[in-house]
This record gives sequence, C-alpha cells and structure tokens, in this order.
Amino acid sequence: DAKTTQPTSMDCAEGRAANLPCNHSTISGNEYVYWYRQIHSQGPQYIIHGLKNNETNEMASLIITEDRKSSTLILPHATLRDTAVYYCIVRANFGNEKLTFGTGTRLTIIP
Amino acid sequence: DAGVIQSPRHEVTEMGQEVTLRCKPISGHNSLFWYRQTMMRGLELLIYFNNNVPIDDSGMPEDRFSAKMPNASFSTLKIQPSEPRDSAVYFCASRSPFAGDEQFFGPGTRLTVL
Repeated sequence: DAKTTQPTSMDCAEGRAANLPCNHSTISGNEYVYWYRQIHSQGPQYIIHGLKNNETNEMASLIITEDRKSSTLILPHATLRDTAVYYCIVRANFGNEKLTFGTGTRLTIIP
Repeated sequence: DAGVIQSPRHEVTEMGQEVTLRCKPISGHNSLFWYRQTMMRGLELLIYFNNNVPIDDSGMPEDRFSAKMPNASFSTLKIQPSEPRDSAVYFCASRSPFAGDEQFFGPGTRLTVL
C-alpha cells in the first residue's frame, strides 16, 4: 500500500470548515483513499473513502486531486466533538483487507 | 445493533500470567480484525479472519500471541505468558461482506501487564 503524509496537528475554530490534507504521491491506480478518525479513548471510526471522484456523505467530503497524489478531508461545520486524530489510509480494495494506520493528524476544535 | 463487543474493558495482570481478550463481532459480519495500539508503535494490525479462517497473521508479534475464531460470533486473542511490553489497548473490528468496506471497531481492551 502506498504511504501517506499528514500534518501532525491542526486547529480549527468551532463552526468553521476543517480541511485536513493528505499526500499520497505513490498511489497506484487500484488504490482507494480512506479516512478514519479516533476520538480519545475510543476505537477508530470510518468516515469516508474514494477512488478518484469527490465523495460526500453525512459526515464529511473527500476531495481527491486529478492526479490522485493528494486529497483533502473536509468537515464542513466543525464541532467540539470532531476533536480527534484523523487517519488517511491508502489501500487497494481487491484481495486486501488490511488497513495500515499511520500517525494521523490530531485535529483540535477551538471553542 | 450493539456494535462490536469486547471484554474485558480493562485488564491488569502480572508478568507471566495468561491473558485472554474476547470479541463478539457485529452479527452478519464475516471479517474480524485484531489491532493493538501503543504510544510507540501506533495502531497496528495483528491478525484478521475471513469466514472464521485466519488469513493474515503476519502482525502477530511472537509465539506468545495466539488468536482463534471458533465461530462467526466469537474470537479470542490470548497472550501466554504476558510481558510488560504487551501493555497496550487491543481493538477488535468487524466488517460486513455486503455493506461496503467499512471496518467497525469495538471500544477496546486496555491491558496493563505489571
């Protein structure tokens, strides 16, 4: 699986959009981009995933660049409950169930 | 749905003792994963099962660790003998064959080996 690079930490004001970047310059054509988050003392939680088109669900939006070498997770209206570590993971879907978690981005929502 | 259930939530034991962690996946899910999380190594996959069969145990640290899945609704992770460096939070996750690629994590078991 391709490696990912994320900032160690970020702050965002409550109510504003939180934009979390992820670089995955070695991503190959069959690899998806996944985002999970881990709120303190809880298990990780799936947020969203995509291949090359932008994706949106009730939690977030995922914007993937045209060359697929980077992506941005957007939390449109951050709340204090969004304070967590956010993991960007690249993984081929077919024949591979493994998720390899890196160090992630620690997002702090400021009141 | 109750989600993934893990027991115990906290375990404190002494070095050399046997430790058994338990997991009940979400009903209908056919993949089960065991992860370990420490400050030094982060979150790492130990082993996963598909349809009760171990598929990849390359993350199991050594022979002291073993995992079983006797049926679709129960799995155990055993450490024998335990060592202080095994202290970590152990997470179990499960995945449905029908509902996309999302892994659902349990609340974890915090293990402390003295």
